[in-house]
Amino acid sequence: ILNVEQSPQSLHVQEGDSTNFTCSFPSSNFYALHWYRWETAKSPEALFVMTLNGDEKKKGRISATLNTKEGYSYLYIKGSQPEDSATYLCALRSYNNNDMRFGAGTRLTVKP
Amino acid sequence: DTGVSQDPRHKITKRGQNVTFRCDPISEHNRLYWYRQTLGQGPEFLTYFQNEAQLEKSRLLSDRFSAERPKGSFSTLEIQRTEQGDSAMYLCASSLPMTGEGEQYFGPGTRLTVT
Repeated sequence: ILNVEQSPQSLHVQEGDSTNFTCSFPSSNFYALHWYRWETAKSPEALFVMTLNGDEKKKGRISATLNTKEGYSYLYIKGSQPEDSATYLCALRSYNNNDMRFGAGTRLTVKP
Repeated sequence: DTGVSQDPRHKITKRGQNVTFRCDPISEHNRLYWYRQTLGQGPEFLTYFQNEAQLEKSRLLSDRFSAERPKGSFSTLEIQRTEQGDSAMYLCASSLPMTGEGEQYFGPGTRLTVT
């Protein structure tokens, strides 16, 4: 059973700042790594799925990388906007593809 | 709206009462998952269905919890004799068979408060 650690727990940045946070895991024994954005009172929204070491994904101002050898994934947000304020969750999908192990999330607040 | 829906969005109940939550998945999705999220933690897997069959249950799912998906469409999660420790956000997700870069799509959750 893999423990997923996310850091920092919370982050406050000014509008326009770029930021990044980390998802770390002790082993590469998983099928895929997922990033979700969860805004208050809404459904968690899928951002990225990564399966291979070295994967890089990008969607607008948000990008993510995966390094399974060193046990981490980074999520980057370029030029943060207030609408980026949310909790960002990382999850590992097991090889049986049936369940996902989530980290506790990083809560991002972007101040105008 | 063709996303995952959950009902109710909020439930307040007294300790010892039974509660039932409903999840309506995306219509073509044959897989349905239940998760629980408590304060300061990420969502924790409870159980999942493929069509009407419940194929996996977490150790978190005590005998007071029961989930059904009778016709392979919507699902219900019932908690009997609720305890204060059951207070949490209960999330439902659905998906097609999860291969490759498949995703689970989440509903907005049901927030349960047990007083």
